[in-house]
Amino acid sequence: GQQLNQSPQSMFIQEGEDVSMNCTSSSIFNTWLWYKQDPGEGPVLLIALYKAGELTSNGRLTAQFGITRKDSFLNISASIPSDVGIYFCAGQLGAGNNRKLIWGLGTSLAVNP
Amino acid sequence: DAGVTQSPTHLIKTRGQQVTLRCSPKSGHDTVSWYQQALGQGPQFIFQYYEEEERQRGNFPDRFSGHQFPNYSSELNVNALLLGDSALYLCASSLRSQPQHFGDGTRLSIL
Repeated sequence: GQQLNQSPQSMFIQEGEDVSMNCTSSSIFNTWLWYKQDPGEGPVLLIALYKAGELTSNGRLTAQFGITRKDSFLNISASIPSDVGIYFCAGQLGAGNNRKLIWGLGTSLAVNP
Repeated sequence: DAGVTQSPTHLIKTRGQQVTLRCSPKSGHDTVSWYQQALGQGPQFIFQYYEEEERQRGNFPDRFSGHQFPNYSSELNVNALLLGDSALYLCASSLRSQPQHFGDGTRLSIL
C-alpha cells in the first residue's frame, strides 16, 4: 500500500532532550497531520496543518507544513517520559467527505528518565 | 461525550470465515473511515462512508465491504478471511473537513 517516508524509524533519548522527526512524499497533500499512538490504543491527533509554510505549536510540540507541500516535520521540546509512543505523520488527499489519509510508517520514541 | 467506539476489541477467526466489525462515530460526526494497521506499520486506508455511501476506497479487494447506517454508525465486513488479514482495524470519524478522530480498534487474529 501507499505510505510516506518517515524518519527516523526509532529514537532513544534522555529526558529533557529535544526531538525532531520528518515525513516526505512524492505526492502533494492539502493537509498534513501528526498523530501519536500508544500501545493498544488508536492514534490521537496532535497537530493539523492546512497551508504550505504553516508553523503550528501545541504545547511542547511544533510542526510545519513544507513549502513544496510534499513534506512536514514535528519537533518535541524538553521531552518527558510520557512522550513515549509511536508518532505518525499522515497526508490528506481529497477534501470534506471524500478524502483519505496516507500514513508514514511511524517513529518509535523512547525516553530515558 | 463519547468518542469513537469500536466492537469487539479482540476477535479470533479461522481462514475462510467471515467477520463483521462495528463502529460508532463520535457524537456529531457524520463520516466514517476504516483503516487496516498491520503490526509495525502505519494504517492503510480501506474506505470512507458518508450519507450511507462509499465515497473513497483504498487498494483493498472486494472481500472488504462496508455499510453505514442512518445513525452514522458503520460496519466493516471481510469475507473469505486470509492469514494476512490479521491486523488492527481502526475506525475514524469526522465532520466535514475537520480532522479524523480514531477509535481504539479491533484486533483481528486469523488462525
